Amino acid sequence: DARVTQTPRHKVTEMGQEVTMRCQPILGHNTVFWYRQTMMQGLELLAYFRNRAPLDDSGMPKDRFSAEMPDATLATLKIQPSEPRDSAVYFCASGLPTANTEAFFGQGTRLTVV
Amino acid sequence: AQSVAQPEDQVNVAEGNPLTVKCTYSVSGNPYLFWYVQYPNRGLQFLLKYITGDNLVKGSYGFEAEFNKSQTSFHLKKPSALVSDSALYFCAVRDGGYGGATNKLIFGTGTLLAVQP
Repeated sequence: DARVTQTPRHKVTEMGQEVTMRCQPILGHNTVFWYRQTMMQGLELLAYFRNRAPLDDSGMPKDRFSAEMPDATLATLKIQPSEPRDSAVYFCASGLPTANTEAFFGQGTRLTVV
Repeated sequence: AQSVAQPEDQVNVAEGNPLTVKCTYSVSGNPYLFWYVQYPNRGLQFLLKYITGDNLVKGSYGFEAEFNKSQTSFHLKKPSALVSDSALYFCAVRDGGYGGATNKLIFGTGTLLAVQP
């Protein structure tokens, strides 16, 4: 059945290293969301894409984070350089652009920066 | 700007009793409201949504939610709780106003539901 696929599921990296997280949205979905989940902040919206163009990335720290959609089947979230405070679970969700539709979530990437 | 508030960090209920998880929202346009559930080490799963029409919306696993425009609330309910309902529940809103950026999906902080046997 159709699902959002995120890779890797787990990532442990050292501080200062580059981290790339990938998301394959459900075929036909042209809206992609990136969220970060932590105990302290809950679910924060980092970036929001429609038709591969960023509509809103105001929640994303610009100095070290970047999000792109090289094509309709791949969304990426990069952190460079990574810091321990970036440790969190990162979720990708995809959906349709109309506001009355729900988004479908991937299983998440659990990132640990040591 | 749109926002969602879930005033309770945790709700405790005995199995078989009714449950309510509270949610209030703020949007500038028409509100489209959603409930999601998250089990440990899993992604979020969609439960139900309110778009328009009947204020009582029914969803998966016996859950329902009541939309109240005057109170700007969208509380999640279930007549009889199960131990297996124990999970983290998130309320979310999309603003129905025109303009791409306003259609983003914003979540509340989540409410942990604990159902005791």
